[in-house]
Amino acid sequence: QSVLTQPPSASGTPGQRVTISCSGSSSNIGSNYVYWYQQLPGTAPKLLIYSNNQRPSGVPDRFSGSKSGTSASLAISGLRSEDEADYYCAAWHDSLSGWVFGGGTKLTVL
Amino acid sequence: QVQLVESGGGVVQPGRSLRLSCAASGFTFSTYGMHWVRQAPGKGLEWVALIWYDVSSKYYADSVKGRFTISRDNSKNTVYLQMNSLRAEDTAVYYCARVLSSSDYGMDVWGQGTTVTVSS
Repeated sequence: QSVLTQPPSASGTPGQRVTISCSGSSSNIGSNYVYWYQQLPGTAPKLLIYSNNQRPSGVPDRFSGSKSGTSASLAISGLRSEDEADYYCAAWHDSLSGWVFGGGTKLTVL
Repeated sequence: QVQLVESGGGVVQPGRSLRLSCAASGFTFSTYGMHWVRQAPGKGLEWVALIWYDVSSKYYADSVKGRFTISRDNSKNTVYLQMNSLRAEDTAVYYCARVLSSSDYGMDVWGQGTTVTVSS
């Protein structure tokens, strides 16, 4: 049972816009930044979004992040086949004094 | 370019120890905190430990506290994870990751991972 809650799966067709949610609490998302990671099959995770809504250089602007209260979302617009991957949210958890991840969402491009 | 290369993984019996290493290059290692994150087979990511750039602070997941120790040698640009009293549930791919900056300790660049299998 992960501290941050994500839907186990999501899907969309090429060109569509999909969103992935991440629900937490006042001890993590509610008081700290949210990060999103993309993990393509058989590879290491890659930073997609940091500080709630910032994109590292090289990450397409099709990817965007937002946060409201104790929840966050990752949106992917103009869906492409290469976006098929697992997506994880993460945040610092104050009372645990540690980082917590969501359980991951497997995105399928139909 | 920034590169992290993990090593030291392998097959180990329950109760034994193993030390993982992560060699960094392409950036000023001594100014960045470092994480260890693991992923059990077919499972999600689990944060393991964090060490600040100057070793002044270390943090651990409850699941490894008291058994694992994170350390670093800034002269060798290397971060370590000493794993003692290993259990079957420690079986995973272990990744090291660099923090974003001195003020943002999110995980930025990741290594390719090293596999640890705990089995008799």
